Amino acid sequence: EVQLVESGGGLVQPGWSLRLSCAASGFTFDDYAMHWVRQAPGKGLEWVSGISWNSGSIGYADSVKGRFTISRDNAKNSLYLQMNSLRAEDTALYYCAKASWNRLNDAFDIWGQGTMVTVSS
Amino acid sequence: QSALTQPASVSGSPGQSITISCTGTSSDVGGYNYVSWYQQHPGKAPKLMIYDVSNRPSGVSNRFSGSKSGNTASLTISGLQAEDEADYYCSSYTSSSWVFGGGTKLTVL
Repeated sequence: EVQLVESGGGLVQPGWSLRLSCAASGFTFDDYAMHWVRQAPGKGLEWVSGISWNSGSIGYADSVKGRFTISRDNAKNSLYLQMNSLRAEDTALYYCAKASWNRLNDAFDIWGQGTMVTVSS
Repeated sequence: QSALTQPASVSGSPGQSITISCTGTSSDVGGYNYVSWYQQHPGKAPKLMIYDVSNRPSGVSNRFSGSKSGNTASLTISGLQAEDEADYYCSSYTSSSWVFGGGTKLTVL
């Protein structure tokens, strides 16, 4: 069964850092691009960042550029999101999403259940 | 990276057809054939319904169809069923990034 399990969320103060992880199973991880998508409470979806199969192509939303870093470890079947200088507006449920193939422009066909990040003093 | 524009809500009766629009610009929807649609039920993760403008993933009902004209993409659901009631989001690729629409709440009357 294809599965994505996010972890690492929690309550942090503004300005702090947090590292999210996504453990993948049930598919050949290094064949696919991967993404992070977030959803603030009661709001819509917002794409955060994406990474191609070999980390050769990476993209970020303007709202997180310079503060967040996406990475992957294909040997560990894992995706990561390092989040620095967190702000209240980063409060959201963060989803890990698998692309349908290996490029950044491939749609997101499998989603995890999300990990909640709350930024508050 | 401005959000794509979707109607906040649409509604229809069982058996009817509805269409949800998604308007962007020539830099996103109009510039690429990488438009996708996602269905999200309350408290659940999104589910891919349409990719690359008009393609359905395996397992998605053929009652769902997608199209695009210029800077506007559309999702049509025919033969509405109660289980179609959900939020729907469009998304478009744009130059190493993706942008989502604000979402449309579909109510089945």
